[in-house]
Amino acid sequence: EPEVTQTPSHQVTQMGQEVILRCVPISNHLYFYWYRQILGQKVEFLVSFYNNEISEKSEIFDDQFSVERPDGSNFTLKIRSTKLEDSAMYFCASSDFVTPAAFFGQGTRLTVV
Amino acid sequence: KQEVTQIPAALSVPEGENLVLNCSFTDSAIYNLQWFRQDPGKGLTSLLLIQSSQREQTSGRLNASLDKSSGRSTLYIAASQPGDSATYLCATRKLTQGGSEKLVFGKGTKLTVNP
Repeated sequence: EPEVTQTPSHQVTQMGQEVILRCVPISNHLYFYWYRQILGQKVEFLVSFYNNEISEKSEIFDDQFSVERPDGSNFTLKIRSTKLEDSAMYFCASSDFVTPAAFFGQGTRLTVV
Repeated sequence: KQEVTQIPAALSVPEGENLVLNCSFTDSAIYNLQWFRQDPGKGLTSLLLIQSSQREQTSGRLNASLDKSSGRSTLYIAASQPGDSATYLCATRKLTQGGSEKLVFGKGTKLTVNP
């Protein structure tokens, strides 16, 4: 069964460092998303991406965040200068028109120290 | 702004019991509603998706219902098993002209099924 793949599963970084979280969405899906879940809190929407551009972003997704689809398979989330409050589980998801259910990856746990 | 609430926050039941998890949402103009399962420290596994035109969906021992007008959905789990222990999340999606939009999640119900 096709699945969304995220790497790494866990990343520890120092405050102020840049991190790139990577995702391989399900092939032939058209919509890509990043969500995050701070420990004990709700899963929150960060950004959606369609047709090589951001279609929507939340207030969380400020100038420190960026997304990119550098080739036909990868979808990345970059945090330029990490803060302690960026520590969370980050989920990538993808969906398409035919079966609009969103499929999620296993997540990357980001720990900022 | 859509708000999704799940009650109860936690539920503990003996094995074999049938149970209902509740989800309510404030904006009834949704495209679909999706139920997920999350195991501790893990990702989100999609369980059921109900389109706005549907009233219910079934998969095995799971049945999800949707009442859009009242802003409610329920997830019914029959004959619960210890392996069903997890957090169950409800999420709504609203469609815009640009296509599929973000999911808005509830905080989840943590289910424990005791052997």
